[in-house]
This record gives sequence, structure tokens and C-alpha cells, in this order.
Amino acid sequence: QIQLVQSGPELKKPGESVKISCKASGYTFTDYAIHWVKQAPGKGLKWMGWINTYTGKPTYADDFKGRFVFSLEASASTANLQISNLKNEDTATYFCARGTSPRYFDLWGPGTMVTVSS
Amino acid sequence: DIVLTQSPALAVSLGQRATISCRASQSVSISRYNLMHWYQQKPGQQPKLLIYRASNLASGIPARFSGSGSGTDFTLTINPVQADDIATYYCQQSRESPPTFGGGTKLELK
Repeated sequence: QIQLVQSGPELKKPGESVKISCKASGYTFTDYAIHWVKQAPGKGLKWMGWINTYTGKPTYADDFKGRFVFSLEASASTANLQISNLKNEDTATYFCARGTSPRYFDLWGPGTMVTVSS
Repeated sequence: DIVLTQSPALAVSLGQRATISCRASQSVSISRYNLMHWYQQKPGQQPKLLIYRASNLASGIPARFSGSGSGTDFTLTINPVQADDIATYYCQQSRESPPTFGGGTKLELK
């Protein structure tokens, strides 16, 4: 079964870090990019960037440079998103999505909700 | 960045046609390729790809969904609307990086 499975919800305090995982199954992991999309509560979708699953090279959208890191555990067909120095405005659901050419997203993970609260 | 504008909500009756529009701040077409895509999102769920490259039905999507348009103006049509279609619909462009999404149109029952 072709799917992306994400790690569970997280409750963090401001200043802490969080790491979200996205495990792919049912297809060849390195054939498709993994993109990350943020959805704040009650809001729309915002593209954060992507990681080339063949080379491991990450690309970040302007608003997500600095505290956000995309990484891979390629042997486990897993992509990770790490957010450091968490802020209240990082409270959101984070989706991983499989990217196809020309950059649309044909498979999505169920999302990981991150709540940042003191 | 390319800005995509959608109406926030649309009220429709079951069995009727729903037409959801998306307007881009600049053309998202290259040659014959229209780089606009549509997603459906139900509350508490992830988005689901419905239409890619403006008019191509994604795998497993019912034929009552269709897409059209070119340049800056695109439309997602649902005909006839069924109860299961009540959701929020997003357009997304891939003409330029960063890929951007519209604000979403919430389909509601009249």
C-alpha cells in the first residue's frame, strides 16, 4: 500500500525543539521528492520546502530558513523535519507530501500536529 | 511569489453543479502546460489531489470532478455535488517557485 505515515502529535514549550518523521512505503523512496507543508489552525496551506530523496539536498522556502531542517534516513525510507527554538506561531499541523513533476503533490501524510505553549 | 485568489465559501445544493474559481496574479501556463492543481481537504484530514495540470483527473477521483482554465483563470467543477464533497478546496500553482496555494474555498450546503 502506497502511503506516508507521520509521527504523532507533539506538545512543546517555547524554545524547545521537535523532530517529525514521515515514513514512506509501497514505492521506491528515492524516485520522488518529499515536500513539507504547514497548516496553522483554521488557516490554509503553506509550502515550506522540499528534500531531494536521491541526493539528500534540502531546499527551504524563504520563511522557513534558519530554524527548520529537512533530513533523511534513506535506508528507512523516512524524511524528517526538525524545528528548533520553537515559537508560539509554529503551532500548526505539518504535512509531508510526495512531490511529482511538475511539482504537485499526489500523496500526503496524515499530518503531525505540533502545539507550542508555555 | 504568485498569489492565488479563491472565494472563501460557496453554498450549493446537493445534486447541483458547483463551480470553484482560482485566479492567479500572473500566468501559470507554459506553452500547452497549465501548471495549476486542485486539492480537497476535509476537516481533520490531509489534502487529497483531485486534478493536476488544470484538467487531468487524479487516480481514483470520481468523474463528477473536472478542471479547466489557462493563463490566470482556472475552475474546478463538481457536478453533481454529493454530500461527501463537502470540504475545502485549494488550488496550487507550480509555474514558479515557491509553489503557492490559494486561500481555499469552503463548499457548504445551501
